[in-house]
Amino acid sequence: GQNIDQPTEMTATEGAIVQINCTYQTSGFNGLFWYQQHAGEAPTFLSYNVLDGLEEKGRFSSFLSRSKGYSYLLLKELQMKDSASYLCASMDSNYQLIWGAGTKLIIKP
Amino acid sequence: GAVVSQHPSRVICKSGTSVKIECRSLDFQATTMFWYRQFPKQSLMLMATSNEGSKATYEQGVEKDKFLINHASLTLSTLTVTSAHPEDSSFYICSARGTSSLETQYFGPGTRLLVL
Repeated sequence: GQNIDQPTEMTATEGAIVQINCTYQTSGFNGLFWYQQHAGEAPTFLSYNVLDGLEEKGRFSSFLSRSKGYSYLLLKELQMKDSASYLCASMDSNYQLIWGAGTKLIIKP
Repeated sequence: GAVVSQHPSRVICKSGTSVKIECRSLDFQATTMFWYRQFPKQSLMLMATSNEGSKATYEQGVEKDKFLINHASLTLSTLTVTSAHPEDSSFYICSARGTSSLETQYFGPGTRLLVL
């Protein structure tokens, strides 16, 4: 079956670094996506990894290991506005996104 | 980046009525559109995939007669919730994909439906 696992909730301090992990099992693989979703809003695209390694984009970085079925999203220099849910999604062989339940990130001052 | 709009952004209706939600790609041709539903504190659930000019493909457990999807043009797909009931209250989000990249989906802003 297809499955995406990520922690339900995480708490971090403003200015700190946080890593959100995601493991996936899908029928085929066409990439791993991370989205940010604020309450009451649609998801917004953060990153896409299809090859192993680290992709850095400003304060956000995403890592992928295809052999381990593992990805993480790294957020640096946390700001209060980063409080949101972070959704991990794997794209299967039909180019369909399989979504995790999301990780609610709480940033404390 | 590409823009996808949804209308309305918020709708309140009485139980038993039908509600139509529009999803438009504003600056690209969307050969495929996806309709998702999201309940509070849960992840997105794919309801159906629609390709322009053909019937939508519904996910298991989604009633096609209740959630009518029409993808009449390359820039417009509609979702009609027929005979809505309070349990249909949810956040409905569409996304669109063009021909240039099968990996890229552009999300609309979502429609919040409340059925009284």
